[in-house]
Amino acid sequence: DADVTQTPRNRITKTGKRIMLECSQTKGHDRMYWYRQDPGLGLRLIYYSFDVKDINKGEISDGYSVSRQAQAKFSLSLESAIPNQTALYFCATSDSGSPKTEAFFGQGTRLTVV
Amino acid sequence: AQSVTQPDIHITVSEGASLELRCNYSYGATPYLFWYVQSPGQGLQLLLKYFSGDTLVQGIKGFEAEFKRSQSSFNLRKPSVHWSDAAEYFCAVGAREYGNKLVFGAGTILRVKS
Repeated sequence: DADVTQTPRNRITKTGKRIMLECSQTKGHDRMYWYRQDPGLGLRLIYYSFDVKDINKGEISDGYSVSRQAQAKFSLSLESAIPNQTALYFCATSDSGSPKTEAFFGQGTRLTVV
Repeated sequence: AQSVTQPDIHITVSEGASLELRCNYSYGATPYLFWYVQSPGQGLQLLLKYFSGDTLVQGIKGFEAEFKRSQSSFNLRKPSVHWSDAAEYFCAVGAREYGNKLVFGAGTILRVKS
């Protein structure tokens, strides 16, 4: 089983709908991240959480919200999806304390908003 | 603001030829540097990382990278490319001063021709 699991892997939704992307991890890491990937833009940070009670906005948080239900679970919500939120979304985890530890990524969720 | 530049969007090399992917960063702090690879339909896998010490670091799959502080660069190299190396490659930078979050470059898509 994967260490970082994202569900669903693919999703098509309509404009204005609420959608939740889920991420769970078995690595025991305290830090979790949500990124979106767009062609030519690389990965951009949406939200990150350093522990269950610590949630922070990234560089592109508008239109998104998150919930850290437990150390192992970090969900990303689009309250009212719009077409320019069509992208590949990645969840990642890392251990605390130092940037020297690498980030581990899920396999991604491809979201299409029509 | 911190930034990471990968100047080449696409690179095509012949199988067996050498490869160099460029990465430049702008950081007001001592950076920690990473290269990730993304194969089609997959998440990101760490190739190698640099924190300190020897400026030439070895990674998986025969890749290496050299940190040059004077040029603010961390270029990825491989002496002989295999067809299975075709993927997208991301350079990323982190620093304790910026909350240990990774900032990614836009990515370079590598095509390998036989």
